[in-house]
Amino acid sequence: QSVLTQPPSVSEAPRQRVTISCSGSSSNIGNNAVNWYQQLPGKAPKLLIYYDDLLPSGVSDRFSGSKSGTSASLAISGLQSEDEADYYCAAWDDRLNGPVFGGGTKLTVL
Amino acid sequence: QVQLQESGPGLVKPSQTLSLTCTVSGGSISSGSYYWSWIRQPAGKGLEWIGRIYTSGSTNYNPSLKSRVTISVDTSKNQFSLKLSSVTAADTAVYYCARAPMNGDYFDYWGQGTLVTVSS
Repeated sequence: QSVLTQPPSVSEAPRQRVTISCSGSSSNIGNNAVNWYQQLPGKAPKLLIYYDDLLPSGVSDRFSGSKSGTSASLAISGLQSEDEADYYCAAWDDRLNGPVFGGGTKLTVL
Repeated sequence: QVQLQESGPGLVKPSQTLSLTCTVSGGSISSGSYYWSWIRQPAGKGLEWIGRIYTSGSTNYNPSLKSRVTISVDTSKNQFSLKLSSVTAADTAVYYCARAPMNGDYFDYWGQGTLVTVSS
């Protein structure tokens, strides 16, 4: 069971907008930055969002992140078939003294 | 462009020690600006952080694995390594090495991953 809680799956039609939630606690999301990773099938995870809402160079601005209290969200607008992937949230956990991950959310573009 | 590449046996017998190496190219592991981590992912499951090392040799380990894990660094070869002892089938997973900036807790570069199966 993962420390951070994500919905197992979400789905939406092309060109629409979808959000993925990530719930934690005061020892992780509530006190530290949230990062998001995209994992395409059979590939390594790729950094998508860091420090709650920053995009690494080369990441499309269709992706955005936000955080409030002990929860965070990833939004993807203008959905494309290439966005089909697993998405993971992560944050440093002060009790673990290390990073913790969500269980991952599988995005299906209908 | 920094690249990380995992290497090591793909099959390990139960109770033995899993050993993997991550070779870093396109940048020096000795730069002093990064932590170097191991992360694993069982098939169809989520990601689990195993531990990390700084170029000074200081380490942090996941408490759930701490008694079985050793991470070391060889700056002369631009490599860092993972040893996981007393493995069981539950340790079967894809193992990734990854880099994190010292001033951030995010992983900006990952290796492609290597599958390690624990089986007799």
